[in-house]
Amino acid sequence: AQRVTQPEKLLSVFKGAPVELKCNYSYSGSPELFWYVQYSRQRLQLLLRHISRESIKGFTADLNKGETSFHLKKPFAQEEDSAMYYCALSGLGNNDMRFGAGTRLTVKP
Amino acid sequence: KAGVTQTPRYLIKTRGQQVTLSCSPISGHRSVSWYQQTPGQGLQFLFEYFSETQRNKGNFPGRFSGRQFSNSRSEMNVSTLELGDSALYLCASSLEGTGYGYTFGSGTRLTVV
Repeated sequence: AQRVTQPEKLLSVFKGAPVELKCNYSYSGSPELFWYVQYSRQRLQLLLRHISRESIKGFTADLNKGETSFHLKKPFAQEEDSAMYYCALSGLGNNDMRFGAGTRLTVKP
Repeated sequence: KAGVTQTPRYLIKTRGQQVTLSCSPISGHRSVSWYQQTPGQGLQFLFEYFSETQRNKGNFPGRFSGRQFSNSRSEMNVSTLELGDSALYLCASSLEGTGYGYTFGSGTRLTVV
């Protein structure tokens, strides 16, 4: 069974401060990991995928298989980063994506 | 390119009734997944369809069913509605599956009274 844990329901930082949203997973096979974001009154949207090793809107996430983590990081938070962030896991090739409970990030001015 | 379209946006149903929700994926997307979102349980996976076949199913009772048509449009049905079925139902589509990530619709808000 696959499981995604986001230990923080709420996270608040000041503008310009670094931010890290934690995600831990449990899966016996090869995982595919994602971060999705939902801004106020908008649809849930893909932020980034571990397999593409990209940086989107200044966010990066590295898959650490040893620690089974996929934390989302940004060195300097902006107010427009305030949103709900979801970590998601799918087994490679199994097309069954499971989401964590989400972390609400608030960036204060 | 049109996004994922879900209809209707809002529904109010009475306990015991049944309901059908519709999802039109992005053109060319063949995989459609459904999720139930509630404040208490978050996003719960219902099922995933690809080329008219259900490939994966979440841990929901048999009252929840779905199907996909040859044009990749999908419907989900909930029979014998219960109060606890009140939720936002989200549909997401992708080209082949989860690998490239999902594009989500805005959801159907179902209220059971």
